[in-house]
Amino acid sequence: TQLLEQSPQFLSIQEGENLTVYCNSSSVFSSLQWYRQEPGEGPVLLVTVVTGGEVKKLKRLTFQFGDARKDSSLHITAAQPGDTGLYLCAGGEGGSEKLVFGKGTKLTVNP
Amino acid sequence: NAGVTQTPKFQVLKTGQSMTLQCAQDMNHEYMSWYRQDPGMGLRLIHYSVGAGITDQGEVPNGYNVSRSTTEDFPLRLLSAAPSQTSVYFCASTPGGPNNSPLHFGNGTRLTVT
Repeated sequence: TQLLEQSPQFLSIQEGENLTVYCNSSSVFSSLQWYRQEPGEGPVLLVTVVTGGEVKKLKRLTFQFGDARKDSSLHITAAQPGDTGLYLCAGGEGGSEKLVFGKGTKLTVNP
Repeated sequence: NAGVTQTPKFQVLKTGQSMTLQCAQDMNHEYMSWYRQDPGMGLRLIHYSVGAGITDQGEVPNGYNVSRSTTEDFPLRLLSAAPSQTSVYFCASTPGGPNNSPLHFGNGTRLTVT
């Protein structure tokens, strides 16, 4: 079973600060997805990265897929209280019908 | 757009009782799946289906049964509930495989087994 390790597990910061969340594995993934989940709701997709070294930006969020496709990072610039939530990474292996999720990073941005 | 609909939202069971968690999607997605989410454990795959009439086991299938008689519905059955099955259950669907297109999640069913 492939494993995805996310760090940190919890992160509490002040509005305006920058932060980075990491998603690491010893396995190679054909794609990696990032989801955001708010309390009482299901996860919602933020982005999918598929190419080693790929960088995608979504407003103040920057996602990067490692060159070897074993790791990924999410960087948030000038965090806002609306960024508060649980961030989950999920990896897929080519040909597999299963998506493996990390344990998540719970982010709290204080005003 | 209804998307993925899960019922009920909350359920309390006693040990040994049975129940079915319902999941329906109106997007004509072939792939459907069930996850459970526990504190500190992330999302773990229970069962999945790549189309009507086809189901397969995920990471934690024990204690759960599924069937897929139609494209729209993918119910999850607990035959004899145990306290270890206390969790939040999410149903998700996607048009192709989960590696090729994003999962669309329902809002979950919070199950407590006493």
